[in-house]
Amino acid sequence: GNSVTQMEGPVTLSEEAFLTINCTYTATGYPSLFWYVQYPGEGLQLLLKATKADDKGSNKGFEATYRKETTSFHLEKGSVQVSDSAVYFCALVPAGGGADGLTFGKGTHLIIQP
Amino acid sequence: SAVISQKPSRDICQRGTSLTIQCQVDSQVTMMFWYRQQPGQSLTLIATANQGSEATYESGFVIDKFPISRPNLTFSTLTVSNMSPEDSSIYLCSATGGTGGLIGYTFGSGTRLTVV
Repeated sequence: GNSVTQMEGPVTLSEEAFLTINCTYTATGYPSLFWYVQYPGEGLQLLLKATKADDKGSNKGFEATYRKETTSFHLEKGSVQVSDSAVYFCALVPAGGGADGLTFGKGTHLIIQP
Repeated sequence: SAVISQKPSRDICQRGTSLTIQCQVDSQVTMMFWYRQQPGQSLTLIATANQGSEATYESGFVIDKFPISRPNLTFSTLTVSNMSPEDSSIYLCSATGGTGGLIGYTFGSGTRLTVV
């Protein structure tokens, strides 16, 4: 079946540090890939997405590139801020899966210290 | 872009009772989904709410415990029945495939349920 694996957290960084959160997936074909963010006490917000190989999703300074050869969708940001502290979820929906819900990774708790 | 309103936002319920959670989208959508997020955990899909037919449940979830309605293309409800403390979670609805500018899968703000 489909699965998403994320690096374990919490990840603690200083402000302005470079961020990478690793995400790899298992799925047949070409799933669509997503990063969601959950701020404390809030619901999920879509951060970025990519629907085909070599696509780069970007938003709010975050980027992730769909790498079919390594089945990865790592999240990166060049300079993090305290306000980026949140839980980040990598997720996929199967190829052609318009009727399917998302499969989520376990989430990575990011803590940014001033 | 479309907005999903979910209510109640939180509730504290007695064991053995039931709670119905409502999810309203401000435009018509094809697919609606219900997820559970247990404390400190990721999201697990409960079921897909199909308009005009019964919901499709994932392994480990049954209709008697989590009855779902989808009377039209903008609304769905999830009922958590005969609750126990193990049902304490955040329940989220999600939608995709609509005319309201949905990008990816949009989520409601969630219902934080505590069963005592």
